[in-house]
Amino acid sequence: GENVEQHPSTLSVQEGDSAVIKCTYSDSASNYFPWYKQELGKRPQLIIDIRSNVGEKKDQRIAVTLNKTAKHFSLHITETQPEDSAVYFCAASTPNQGGKLIFGQGTELSVKP
Amino acid sequence: NAGVTQTPKFRVLKTGQSMTLLCAQDMNHEYMYWYRQDPGMGLRLIHYSVGEGTTAKGEVPDGYNVSRLKKQNFLLGLESAAPSQTSVYFCASSYRSSYNSPLHFGNGTRLTVT
Repeated sequence: GENVEQHPSTLSVQEGDSAVIKCTYSDSASNYFPWYKQELGKRPQLIIDIRSNVGEKKDQRIAVTLNKTAKHFSLHITETQPEDSAVYFCAASTPNQGGKLIFGQGTELSVKP
Repeated sequence: NAGVTQTPKFRVLKTGQSMTLLCAQDMNHEYMYWYRQDPGMGLRLIHYSVGEGTTAKGEVPDGYNVSRLKKQNFLLGLESAAPSQTSVYFCASSYRSSYNSPLHFGNGTRLTVT
């Protein structure tokens, strides 16, 4: 089955700097890659996603890139703000695996003012 | 709309006791999922359902059972709780498969097994 590895496990940046979180996946058939944000004590919520027919997607200060050949994808946050502090999860979905979503281990991002 | 509602929010069990976690959604979603969240291990899929009356195993199904008798409800059962099942449990639902629609999560159930 699919396996998703996420790095780093913790990331600390200064307000205004950029943050990058990377994930690799094992199943070349995976074709959907969402990112979820979980604030302290709250539920995970979708912030951006990308499908395998697209190499990059942006939404204001966040962007996701996908390299299908290398089987990795990344989340980029620019001009970080304290409210970006949270745990971020990447995930992958394989169409022949019943539509289930497999998550990475999570990255705890801390943005220092 | 309440979205995805989980009950209870907190529970403490003794080893060997049983319990059922209830997940209810009012969004008419076909797919429902149970995940557990442990520090450093992310969200791991326990069981999921692609429609009323169906269930399937996820990544870590051992020690758990599920039922989806009604479309809006997805129950997670622990027959004989073990300390290794201490975790935060999240239920989620999606309109179709996760490829076509995002997951909506509940607020979680914090379970401690002593």
